[in-house]
Amino acid sequence: DTAVSQTPKYLVTQMGNDKSIKCEQNLGHDTMYWYKQDSKKFLKIMFSYNNKELIINETVPNRFSPKSPDKAHLNLHINSLELGDSAVYFCASSTPGAGGSTFGSGTRLTVV
Amino acid sequence: GDSVTQMEGPVTLSEEAFLTINCTYTATGYPSLFWYVQYPGEGLQLLLKATKADDKGSNKGFEATYRKETTSFHLEKGSVQVSDSAVYFCALSIYNTDKLIFGTGTRLQVFP
Repeated sequence: DTAVSQTPKYLVTQMGNDKSIKCEQNLGHDTMYWYKQDSKKFLKIMFSYNNKELIINETVPNRFSPKSPDKAHLNLHINSLELGDSAVYFCASSTPGAGGSTFGSGTRLTVV
Repeated sequence: GDSVTQMEGPVTLSEEAFLTINCTYTATGYPSLFWYVQYPGEGLQLLLKATKADDKGSNKGFEATYRKETTSFHLEKGSVQVSDSAVYFCALSIYNTDKLIFGTGTRLQVFP
């Protein structure tokens, strides 16, 4: 009964490949997010969706394309992977105004 | 723009020592403030929060008070344990957005 689950947990791939990370939440939250944590542990928001609608896009390269088929799912597709994309990607969800987001356990992406 | 500044780590303490991790913020609106904790190899967990000035958040022996006059939200614990070793993130969100802006994180290492 994990609240926010993401798959896969680890992803190792070669430069130039296309990959996807999936996220699902069973909390009934309206809003979902993708955050990126770099090698220095710095966390920054990438995208936010509310009821399948994109509401935040924080100047992320076009190679990153989020997709929300319904409000419980937010997937992240990355085209033409680059070395600099190596990071831990966290999915999160919240109900606006409720105070705080619930995070998934992260996907460690390594591009070689 | 909105931002969060945390003290740099690592913070190294002996078990049962007193902990303070400083956090200050800059925000244009009226933010909610959070402390998240990341244990090794895991995702982020909400530790505590405060949504308005003078509120005190507390959980698992940790406390932080929302100080509007000093724009601070310092994390404290009276007696740390080895199991508290983790990275602690201070964060803010502006009312109704729930987008989190994180500090750089502070690694806490507690030795027996």
